[in-house]
Amino acid sequence: TQLLEQSPQFLSIQEGENLTVYCNSSSVFSSLQWYRQEPGEGPVLLVTVVTGGEVKKLKRLTFQFGDARKDSSLHITAAQPGDTGLYLCAGAYRDSNYQLIWGAGTKLIIKP
Amino acid sequence: EAGVVQSPRYKIIEKKQPVAFWCNPISGHNTLYWYLQNLGQGPELLIRYENEEAVDDSQLPKDRFSAERLKGVDSTLKIQPAELGDSAVYLCASSFGGGAGEQFFGPGTRLTVL
Repeated sequence: TQLLEQSPQFLSIQEGENLTVYCNSSSVFSSLQWYRQEPGEGPVLLVTVVTGGEVKKLKRLTFQFGDARKDSSLHITAAQPGDTGLYLCAGAYRDSNYQLIWGAGTKLIIKP
Repeated sequence: EAGVVQSPRYKIIEKKQPVAFWCNPISGHNTLYWYLQNLGQGPELLIRYENEEAVDDSQLPKDRFSAERLKGVDSTLKIQPAELGDSAVYLCASSFGGGAGEQFFGPGTRLTVL
């Protein structure tokens, strides 16, 4: 059973376009993290959200945590080739003993 | 400050051969993780250490995989014998305090089993 579902699995768009990727669960997160992984490297933390309804911005990236803390989204404005990578969400639940559970990721390609 | 160090970066072996991966976590991080990652997928936890104690090894295939973290610092993950399906990237991560805190990853070891 996949506790964390990410969608879409794959997204390829042109430079300058906007996009949104999603992370969903039937369980309530105590906290949720977004990571980006570039080819040949390990994932790197982008943001942590903990409060329902929370919105965090990191330059052109906007992260939103759902009011019920069961879902999250990552919106990228005016995507650039440097945004290319695998975007992973990882959530902590009471049932996971508050250890991180990882989603399968969204592979994003931004074409110049 | 040095990040998480892993070696080797790449390893190609024939099936049934043994292989070992090494990880040096960030200084002061008491929690160490070994993950397996298939291409384009998320990391799958193999084992988690708190200091020198393996506190979660429920997903480690113990018939062929073993790990150790002597002295609670460096760690080694071993596969013996390797199978074709073990081809993947093996990631090591560390954190301070475990739980849902930020994990810092090494670059991984890409294993190819022929």
